[in-house]
Amino acid sequence: EAGVAQSPRYKIIEKRQSVAFWCNPISGHATLYWYQQILGQGPKLLIQFQNNGVVDDSQLPKDRFSAERLKGVDSTLKIQPAKLEDSAVYLCASSRLGAETQYFGPGTRLLVL
Amino acid sequence: QQQVKQSPQSLIVQKGGISIINCAYENTAFDYFPWYQQFPGKGPALLIAIRPDVSEKKEGRFTISFNKSAKQFSLHIMDSQPGDSATYFCAASIRSGGYQKVTFGTGTKLQVIP
Repeated sequence: EAGVAQSPRYKIIEKRQSVAFWCNPISGHATLYWYQQILGQGPKLLIQFQNNGVVDDSQLPKDRFSAERLKGVDSTLKIQPAKLEDSAVYLCASSRLGAETQYFGPGTRLLVL
Repeated sequence: QQQVKQSPQSLIVQKGGISIINCAYENTAFDYFPWYQQFPGKGPALLIAIRPDVSEKKEGRFTISFNKSAKQFSLHIMDSQPGDSATYFCAASIRSGGYQKVTFGTGTKLQVIP
């Protein structure tokens, strides 16, 4: 089966600009996660969807980050406006409903100048 | 209470040696403990996982040792190979409201030298 797809793979923007990332989970996976991975750290959950509903967004900086998962399949994560400290790899993962194993995409590496 | 502490931050092991990475947690409600392996430019991938009712799980050269009373678990890589060079993350998971919530450790960068 095809893995989790993410695009773009790399993005360079200037601070205060906006940026959007796209994720297509594994077919049939109801749960979708967005993580932020800062260099040298473990992935930090930003938001978790179950189908098209949000089940956890407690660590999402809602003043600048937003995410949606229309129709319970693809998802987009947006940052507006970006700050220097947002430079990180943004990972998308998916899992079957209630399953413990998460499957990660390759990530989008964001550099904010 | 949701933290997972991982050590060491980096590790250099000779080919054929044993690599050992340690993790500790506080929340006794965690019920699933996976290890993920991440190669440069790739997303993490599940390597091996254990539940707290088991003290050890082995899959090939990879073994998890779990000490419930000490709230610690570790990954042992036997006969380490250069291809094992990667970053390893431990994690702890809890089921909450019908979904899994996972907390990752800070990662260990392993380098296996020939």
